[in-house]
Amino acid sequence: QSVLTQPPSASGTPGQRVTISCSGSSSNIGTNYVYWYQQLPGTAPKLLIYKNNLRPSGVPDRFSGSKSGTSASLAISGLRSEDEADYYCAAWDDSLSGPAFGGGAKLTVL
Amino acid sequence: QLQLQESGPGLVKPSETLSLTCTVSGDSLSSNENYWGWIRQPPGKGLEWLGNMYYSGNTYYNPSLKSRVAISVDTSRNQFSLRLSSVTAADTAVYYCARVPANGGSVDYWGQGTLITVSS
Repeated sequence: QSVLTQPPSASGTPGQRVTISCSGSSSNIGTNYVYWYQQLPGTAPKLLIYKNNLRPSGVPDRFSGSKSGTSASLAISGLRSEDEADYYCAAWDDSLSGPAFGGGAKLTVL
Repeated sequence: QLQLQESGPGLVKPSETLSLTCTVSGDSLSSNENYWGWIRQPPGKGLEWLGNMYYSGNTYYNPSLKSRVAISVDTSRNQFSLRLSSVTAADTAVYYCARVPANGGSVDYWGQGTLITVSS
C-alpha cells in the first residue's frame, strides 16, 4: 500500500498529451515538493521533475509538472514511443521523515 | 559529478542479515544539505523507502521495517550502510542507495541498484 496514490496505468497515441495524477495528504504533497521519476525496464529511476515543476538539465520540455493542494500531475505532450515506461511520483513526508512514493503508473504508447 | 555505488552479496539465506554498503563520490556525507537513504523495489513492484540518515547521526526508518533495519555511516570512507535482519523471500528486491535534499524534497540522485535475492 503506497503512501501516494497514482493510477496503475495510462496510455496514449504518438503525438497526444497524457497526464498522470498523484494524490497525497497534508503531511506530504500538501506541504512539500513533488518529484517525478521515469523508470525504464532494468534501470534505476531517472529524475524527471523536481520541486513540483522544474526539469533537470537534459529532460525535454515535453514533460511538465504541476501541484495543487494535496495533488499533483505529470503531463507529457507530443507523446513518443520512447516515453513508454513506469512513472513514479514522490514527496517528502513529515510523518515518516523520509520520501513517500506513489505505486507507479505504467505508460503505454499505443 | 555525484555518484553512488551499492555493493553487497547478491544472495542471502532466509533468517540471516542482509548487509549493503553505498560508496559516495562527489559529495560529503558530513554535509547538512542532504539525507542519505535506502529504497528497494521488489521484482515487478513499486518503490519502498527503507530509511534515511542525516549528517548529525539521526536515523529515520520505515515503520513497517523499523525493528529489522539499521543504517550506519563511515564518514572516513564516505560510505553508509544498510543492515536488514531476519530476511525472508519477501525481502528479495533491487536495493538502491540515494541522496535526498534536506529542503523538503525527494531523491535527486540514485545508485544503479543491486539485486538481492533471499533464498536457501
